[in-house]
Amino acid sequence: DAKTTQPPSMDCAEGRAANLPCNHSTISGNEYVYWYRQIHSQGPQYIIHGLKNNETNEMASLIITEDRKSSTLILPHATLRDTAVYYCIVRPGSGSARQLTFGSGTQLTVLP
Amino acid sequence: EPEVTQTPSHQVTQMGQEVILRCVPISNHLYFYWYRQILGQKVEFLVSFYNNEISEKSEIFDDQFSVERPDGSNFTLKIRSTKLEDSAMYFCASSERTGPGNTIYFGEGSWLTVV
Repeated sequence: DAKTTQPPSMDCAEGRAANLPCNHSTISGNEYVYWYRQIHSQGPQYIIHGLKNNETNEMASLIITEDRKSSTLILPHATLRDTAVYYCIVRPGSGSARQLTFGSGTQLTVLP
Repeated sequence: EPEVTQTPSHQVTQMGQEVILRCVPISNHLYFYWYRQILGQKVEFLVSFYNNEISEKSEIFDDQFSVERPDGSNFTLKIRSTKLEDSAMYFCASSERTGPGNTIYFGEGSWLTVV
């Protein structure tokens, strides 16, 4: 599985955009980038995923670089409830049903 | 919004006892999973299940563990003889299909404490 690298922690002011980076330099052409978050030991919550194009939904935007070696998750207006561990996961393109390998993620703390 | 539900939310059991954790996956989903997270550690894959059989399992999922879909709605994880090191949060998850473009949705977890 392609490995991902994320900063261990980040802070963001409430109401500002939170930009969470992820490096995945060994990603293959058919592997997707997924983002999940985990709020205080609750179940991982799906945020967004993408293959090549930038994606946006009601929760966040995902910006994937043209070479696909890195991506950024953007929470446009962070709130205190967005404080969580954010996981960037590269999902294998074939075969394995295992599919989600969680790393250590980035602890995002939204400050009042 | 449809969700994966898990029961119990917290269970305390004595070492050596059998435990069954229950899950109701999202109704139109066909693929089911169990993951676990030991306190302070990463979320780890245990097993995936499709069409009434195990698709894949990790090295953690040894003979002490079993999964079952006893009826059309429930999906269970059984630990036959619990050990102290089985204390963890267990997450059930489901997806409509398999493959990298299909999202896996997680339940809120069952916290198992073995004493």
